[in-house]
Amino acid sequence: KQEVTQIPAALSVPEGENLVLNCSFTDSAIYNLQWFRQDPGKGLTSLLLIQSSQREQTSGRLNASLDKSSGRSTLYIAASQPGDSATYLCAVANDYKLSFGAGTTVTVRA
Amino acid sequence: EAGVVQSPRYKIIEKKQPVAFWCNPISGHNTLYWYLQNLGQGPELLIRYENEEAVDDSQLPKDRFSAERLKGVDSTLKIQPAELGDSAVYLCASSPGAAGGVNEQFFGPGTRLTVL
Repeated sequence: KQEVTQIPAALSVPEGENLVLNCSFTDSAIYNLQWFRQDPGKGLTSLLLIQSSQREQTSGRLNASLDKSSGRSTLYIAASQPGDSATYLCAVANDYKLSFGAGTTVTVRA
Repeated sequence: EAGVVQSPRYKIIEKKQPVAFWCNPISGHNTLYWYLQNLGQGPELLIRYENEEAVDDSQLPKDRFSAERLKGVDSTLKIQPAELGDSAVYLCASSPGAAGGVNEQFFGPGTRLTVL
């Protein structure tokens, strides 16, 4: 069974600081890995998807890396803003099933 | 383009009552998923449909939960009877389909269920 762990569980940073969110998984035979954002009381918004053959994906201030052999992914958010405050979830796909971590709750202080 | 639509957004019921959730996926998406999300945890898959066929329902508690996707478009998830432990957020997601490999999943806003 795929186990996905996200550390830290919560993070508070001043505005402008770069964010580093970590995700680790136990089964490296994955199809892809997705990073999601979830605002309180809302659904999940897909941020980035990295295919198993890729090493990283970038979208604006977001960059996600994937090291499949070591079972790790990192989401970098550059120059954080208060609007980046949310919970960020990592999910790995084995076959068509997504296994999620519990998320990292980020607070960006103005 | 409209996203995944779910209704209702919130539902409060008493235990032992039935409840149903509705989901309309993104147009053209053949694969539909129902997830359950408990507070402070990531979503967990309940059931996956390819068109109208439930291809993975191994995590669905079939004694009280049922789902259908009769015409391969919208879907309904039902709980009967509801228990206190069913209080959670029920998320629906869709993806383009099995062809071409494993696709990105797009999520709806969820239905927050409270069982009293």
